[in-house]
Amino acid sequence: SAVISQKPSRDICQRGTSLTIQCQVDSQVTMMFWYRQQPGQSLTLIATANQGSEATYESGFVIDKFPISRPNLTFSTLTVSNMSPEDSSIYLCSVGQGPNEQFFGPGTRLTVL
Amino acid sequence: QKEVEQNSGPLSVPEGAIASLNCTYSDRGSQSFFWYRQYSGKSPELIMSIYSNGDKEDGRFTAQLNKASQYVSLLIRDSQPSDSATYLCAVNMGPSGYNKLIFGAGTRLAVHP
Repeated sequence: SAVISQKPSRDICQRGTSLTIQCQVDSQVTMMFWYRQQPGQSLTLIATANQGSEATYESGFVIDKFPISRPNLTFSTLTVSNMSPEDSSIYLCSVGQGPNEQFFGPGTRLTVL
Repeated sequence: QKEVEQNSGPLSVPEGAIASLNCTYSDRGSQSFFWYRQYSGKSPELIMSIYSNGDKEDGRFTAQLNKASQYVSLLIRDSQPSDSATYLCAVNMGPSGYNKLIFGAGTRLAVHP
């Protein structure tokens, strides 16, 4: 499977600020996804990052809060904007390979004070 | 609301025993099903995928699927303390050709020596 890296691995931010998380894959992939895992919870899909077009957001997530870029087939960014303590979560990117399988990056642990 | 249900546990089994993890899902049209293992502080790791009714074996792991009952399970034979983790059931509930995973809340497994 592809090797996926994320930057930063963790960060502590002040409320009202924004953080951009990077996801890099070592091979070209068609499908990239962003998930959130709140403390003690399971994974929730935020959006699908589409190369060359706008991301597709899931219900409850909006572009103004979580803008996503996908400039090429190996890279994507997720920005968490105007952060509040409720945004404290682990943010994970995943890539789609094979018939519907997804593989996850190591995650970014975000704490908002 | 499309849902995936799991017993949160913890499921406690002795070393060497069979651990049985269960999952039900709401979307009768779902075609692909996955089990992920997540160690504390780590990202989910894909351990099994299953697409057809019946059993699929991979080493000590067996996935079982019953689409009529909307039920998928994971059996871990000869459980080891290193199997202690949270096991996440994921179901692809996107339209045909669209990769959208819905995750259950996860079952915490504890294997004691």
